[in-house]
Amino acid sequence: DSGVTQTPKHLITATGQRVTLRCSPRSGDLSVYWYQQSLDQGLQFLIQYYNGEERAKGNILERFSAQQFPDLHSELNLSSLELGDSALYFCASSVESGTYEQYFGPGTRLTVT
Amino acid sequence: GNSVTQMEGPVTLSEEAFLTINCTYTATGYPSLFWYVQYPGEGLQLLLKATKADDKGSNKGFEATYRKETTSFHLEKGSVQVSDSAVYFCALSDALGKSTFGDGTTLTVKP
Repeated sequence: DSGVTQTPKHLITATGQRVTLRCSPRSGDLSVYWYQQSLDQGLQFLIQYYNGEERAKGNILERFSAQQFPDLHSELNLSSLELGDSALYFCASSVESGTYEQYFGPGTRLTVT
Repeated sequence: GNSVTQMEGPVTLSEEAFLTINCTYTATGYPSLFWYVQYPGEGLQLLLKATKADDKGSNKGFEATYRKETTSFHLEKGSVQVSDSAVYFCALSDALGKSTFGDGTTLTVKP
C-alpha cells in the first residue's frame, strides 16, 4: 500500500459526458501527478501540482483539467469524453517537486462507451 | 524535450537466469533516474533510484547504475524468480518536476 488513494476504482460512462477523478496523496506529500495509461500510448504524464499550484504540464488535452485543493487532495476533470479516453488514470505523489521518487495510487479505470 | 527509451519486450527467462533491461535517456540538466515495477492490476511501485552520475540504485537484488557518459540506466538482476514477472518502467524526473517514462518492458519468468 503506497498511501495514495484514488476514487473511484472503476468508472463507466458515455461519450460526451464529464467525469471527475479524485486523488489523496500520501500524508505529508506536497506534489501530486496525474498519468494516463493506455495500451497504445503507454504511460503518459499529464500534469503536476505542487502545494496547490500547477508546476509542470505534459500531454494533457484541453478537455482535461485538474486542480489541487488546500487539503492537498487533487481532482482530474475529464469532459466531452471520447472513446479514446478509455484508459487507466493514475495519481502519484511525492514529498516535494522535482527529482523525487513518486508513489502511485491503484488507479481509476475509465471506460467510455 | 526529455525522452526515455527502453529495451523492447516482452522478455521471457527461466528462473535463476540473469536479467538485463536496457534503458537510455535524453534530458537537459541533471535528472534523477528511476525504475518502477507494475504487477498485474496494480499501480506502479518504485523499485530503485539514482540521483546523480555514478550512483548505483539497488533493491531486492535489482541494480542499476546512472551512467552520464552513455546516458544509460540499465536494470540488472543476477538470478530472477517467478515472482519477478511484471512490467518494468524506466523513468526520469527533471528539476522542474516533469516526469518521463519509457514504454515499459514485460518480463515473464518461467519455472
